[in-house]
Amino acid sequence: EVQLVQSGAEVKKPGESLKISCKVSGYTFTTYWIAWVRQLPGKGLEWMGRIDPSDSYSDYSPSFRGHVTISSDKSINTAYLQWRSLRSSDTAIYYCARVRTVGATIDHWGQGSLVTVSS
Amino acid sequence: QSALAQPPSASGSPGQSVTISCTGSSSDIGAYNYVSWYQQHPGKAPKLLIYEVTQRPSGVPDRFSGSKSGNTASLTVSALQTEDEAHYYCSSYGGSDNLGVFGGGTKLTVL
Repeated sequence: EVQLVQSGAEVKKPGESLKISCKVSGYTFTTYWIAWVRQLPGKGLEWMGRIDPSDSYSDYSPSFRGHVTISSDKSINTAYLQWRSLRSSDTAIYYCARVRTVGATIDHWGQGSLVTVSS
Repeated sequence: QSALAQPPSASGSPGQSVTISCTGSSSDIGAYNYVSWYQQHPGKAPKLLIYEVTQRPSGVPDRFSGSKSGNTASLTVSALQTEDEAHYYCSSYGGSDNLGVFGGGTKLTVL
């Protein structure tokens, strides 16, 4: 069974750094990409970017490029989403998801990680 | 990439059918047969319903079907059930940067 298990909820202050994780099981980590998707409170889904765990190459949506970093560690089947300096507007639920390498279809989702940024 | 356009809401009575549209452009929906649909219940992660325009993953009832014409994709839910009340999101491959793009979402109410 394919599973993506994300790290727990976080409460941070503006300006702080944060790294959340997504550990996968049930398939070969390097044969699918991992995407990160943001969902602002009460709003829709947004592609943030994706990584190819086989070579750690990543692409970012323009809205997120430069503000977040996506990485992965294939030795422990885990992908990461990282911020160096959080803003209050980063308060959201963040989902990791498995992505087919052709057509960018997301076929499995993590349970979501709630990040709250507040002074 | 601009978000795909979906109606914010749709509704139907149990047993009826409802169709949700998703309008993109010649750069996304019109260019590729990689349109997906996702169902999201409150407080839950999204779930894949339809991929590659018309394909259903195993376990998804055949009451859910997808189609595409030009730059517009559609999701039809037949024989509506109360548990179909949820948000529905379309997504398409956008080509550039190997990323996808989502629609704004449609809240389906089963009256």
